[in-house]
Amino acid sequence: EAGVAQSPRYKIIEKRQSVAFWCNPISGHATLYWYQQILGQGPKLLIQFQNNGVVDDSQLPKDRFSAERLKGVDSTLKIQPAKLEDSAVYLCASSSQRQGVSSGANVLTFGAGSRLTVL
Amino acid sequence: GDSVTQMEGPVTLSEEAFLTINCTYTATGYPSLFWYVQYPGEGLQLLLKATKADDKGSNKGFEATYRKETTSFHLEKGSVQVSDSAVYFCALTSGGYQKVTFGTGTKLQVIP
Repeated sequence: EAGVAQSPRYKIIEKRQSVAFWCNPISGHATLYWYQQILGQGPKLLIQFQNNGVVDDSQLPKDRFSAERLKGVDSTLKIQPAKLEDSAVYLCASSSQRQGVSSGANVLTFGAGSRLTVL
Repeated sequence: GDSVTQMEGPVTLSEEAFLTINCTYTATGYPSLFWYVQYPGEGLQLLLKATKADDKGSNKGFEATYRKETTSFHLEKGSVQVSDSAVYFCALTSGGYQKVTFGTGTKLQVIP
């Protein structure tokens, strides 16, 4: 099966500019995640969707970050305006897990990531 | 909230050495536990998992046992290879929506 697709792979912008990242999950996966991975740190969950609804966005800086998954398939993460501390790799992942449906461990499949550098 | 603590890296080993990477966790309920690996230039991928106490996950010669009494999930391999050089992340899932929480990662470098 095709993996999780992300684009762009690399992006360099200046602070206060905007940027958008796109993710297409594995076909049929209900749950989609966006993580931020700062160099030397573990991935931090920004937002989790189940189908097209948000189930966790508690760590999303909502004054500058937004994300949508309009048709329950692909998703876009936007940053506007960007700050220096937003420099990171933005990881998209998907899983087939659904709330209330017992299907074993929730295994995530990750895309290759989008590396953002803010100057 | 849930959290995962991993040993600090980087860890440098000679080929064929024994590897242990420690991982402990804090979670409510009964989490599932995972090790993910990130090879240079690649995305994270699942290495192994365990869903209940005393389960042992294994893959590619790596093993980890879910120890509820010590809230640990240490990763081990009897004989590492240069190709095992990567960053290893311990993780857990919990709650109705199965939120995934990651540790900070441990970089492993294996030298010939």
